[in-house]
Amino acid sequence: GQNIDQPTEMTATEGAIVQINCTYQTSGFNGLFWYQQHAGEAPTFLSYNVLDGLEEKGRFSSFLSRSKGYSYLLLKELQMKDSASYLCAVRVPYGGATNKLIFGTGTLLAVQP
Amino acid sequence: NAGVTQTPKFRVLKTGQSMTLLCAQDMNHEYMYWYRQDPGMGLRLIHYSVGEGTTAKGEVPDGYNVSRLKKQNFLLGLESAAPSQTSVYFCASRDSGTYTDTQYFGPGTRLTVL
Repeated sequence: GQNIDQPTEMTATEGAIVQINCTYQTSGFNGLFWYQQHAGEAPTFLSYNVLDGLEEKGRFSSFLSRSKGYSYLLLKELQMKDSASYLCAVRVPYGGATNKLIFGTGTLLAVQP
Repeated sequence: NAGVTQTPKFRVLKTGQSMTLLCAQDMNHEYMYWYRQDPGMGLRLIHYSVGEGTTAKGEVPDGYNVSRLKKQNFLLGLESAAPSQTSVYFCASRDSGTYTDTQYFGPGTRLTVL
């Protein structure tokens, strides 16, 4: 089976740090993505991990442990505009020669003043 | 570059009506995808295409058909709409052979079936 779990909602304060966790159990693994989705808008790409460890991109970092089936997205120096849903997605083999993304249900982050 | 565009942005249908959603990308991507997004559920793959003239079924293909006659366009058809097809539909495209093969999403189409 394919399963991705992430918290439904989180609240944090402007200027603080927040960590959004994602655990997965999938048939195969070819990488993990984090997307940001503001209400009523398209998901936009934030980060990609395929090897264990931390990937840093400005205020955003993403960590992966393949042996634990675990990833987190770390957001630093939170801003009001970071209020959005954060989607964890795992790329898995599909249809023989290609891959597909399995998405979690998303974590709705509310940043408060 | 406009990226990925979708037409229309909103639509209301009555049960049994048909419609076509259009997705266009100007990034010369080979792969294109149609997803639906419903409350409390992750994005689910409806159909996808690995190149011009090809289509394949995703996780939830029933009630939908697709066509990819031109590389830049991917059409999603509903032949006889049902209330269960009320959803937000996203198109995505990606290149191949890059490190991430990231999918880029269009702005979505909000469909309501009454």
